[in-house]
Amino acid sequence: DAKTTQPPSMDCAEGRAANLPCNHSTISGNEYVYWYRQIHSQGPQYIIHGLKNNETNEMASLIITEDRKSSTLILPHATLRDTAVYYCIVRVALTQGGSEKLVFGKGTKLTVNP
Amino acid sequence: DTGVSQDPRHKITKRGQNVTFRCDPISEHNRLYWYRQTLGQGPEFLTYFQNEAQLEKSRLLSDRFSAERPKGSFSTLEIQRTEQGDSAMYLCASSTGQTRTNEKLFFGSGTQLSVL
Repeated sequence: DAKTTQPPSMDCAEGRAANLPCNHSTISGNEYVYWYRQIHSQGPQYIIHGLKNNETNEMASLIITEDRKSSTLILPHATLRDTAVYYCIVRVALTQGGSEKLVFGKGTKLTVNP
Repeated sequence: DTGVSQDPRHKITKRGQNVTFRCDPISEHNRLYWYRQTLGQGPEFLTYFQNEAQLEKSRLLSDRFSAERPKGSFSTLEIQRTEQGDSAMYLCASSTGQTRTNEKLFFGSGTQLSVL
């Protein structure tokens, strides 16, 4: 089961900031929070990840609360092309090989309106 | 384009037929993953390879499913005796495999399977 909860849908006006919340109250101290998005008919695309500090890259900013039980993905100036399903993920360790798997929930469907 | 490539993009088959999908990961990526996504749901993990070794399989991967990655390069996913419940998007992803955590997965565009 996914270890995160997100609202099923959100709307945002083009050019405005989109703030997508995520709850991960059972996150462990060494688990990262990842964000991916999936545009219709494409595979998921990595956006950003973080552990406890706020992170920023060319796509977005990630704000993680001090207790790490929730986070917010910020798209500073949303465009129509940002319309997609956004997934907040805490990775789950696989038993062999030292890797982890992404456990996706249903994500948040973000619609950017003109 | 040096991303993850999947072939075919779409496959329509009749129930009971066998199908095979191919995934070409990003060059030099050691880890390769298969996920399945049904309509309205997030992708679900199926299996993963570290080089040519298949290291973990989900319980979703029934005996009718088999995956291979010969020589640690491309991978194939075969479904035998397809059922209507197999209809889904099959996604492949790869990663460098250099670290346990803190890795980015790069996904292909998927193969959409429809079983009639």
